[in-house]
Amino acid sequence: DQQVKQNSPSLSVQEGRISILNCDYTNSMFDYFLWYKKYPAEGPTFLISISSIKDKNEDGRFTVFLNKSAKHLSLHIVPSQPGDSAVYFCAASHTGRRALTFGSGTRLQVQP
Amino acid sequence: DAGVIQSPRHEVTEMGQEVTLRCKPISGHNSLFWYRQTMMRGLELLIYFNNNVPIDDSGMPEDRFSAKMPNASFSTLKIQPSEPRDSAVYFCASSHSGSGTDTQYFGPGTRLTVL
Repeated sequence: DQQVKQNSPSLSVQEGRISILNCDYTNSMFDYFLWYKKYPAEGPTFLISISSIKDKNEDGRFTVFLNKSAKHLSLHIVPSQPGDSAVYFCAASHTGRRALTFGSGTRLQVQP
Repeated sequence: DAGVIQSPRHEVTEMGQEVTLRCKPISGHNSLFWYRQTMMRGLELLIYFNNNVPIDDSGMPEDRFSAKMPNASFSTLKIQPSEPRDSAVYFCASSHSGSGTDTQYFGPGTRLTVL
């Protein structure tokens, strides 16, 4: 039972354009959502997070949107840069269980 | 600041041998998590500790796996005896629970190969 789903295994965009990565969840108890970026042979690196009391959080080129009614969140990267090429994981947790539940990841490739 | 430190980075062993993975969390963090990444199951929690006490070990596959946290700055994950299906990348992460954000910071991982 996948509680966090990333339905797009890969995404390719041109440098300078917007990258949009999507994530869906099924557990309505989740109240904290995070995006991690992962390069090969490294651990996941925290990128940005959002609490369920918000619907948007922005940090530089990265913005996360949360739609609680649809149980959907997305990560926008504007403008995309070649260095953003990595695997992006969506993760979620809730107050009763702070361990993270991860999606399967989306491989982003930004073409120069 | 030093991040989460894991050792060894790579481990190759033979089936039946004991394997011990080590983790040093970020100083001041009071929650520690062990995750495993495989092609089939992705990233999944094995166990987590809060203030050195195991809170949730529901992800530990079976009795061959055990984890300890003797103090706030050190944790081990032991597999005895190891099997080829244990081959995976094992990540340790730490966080400061109670901060309201519970953002977990990951170590570089240990790639385990069991022959």
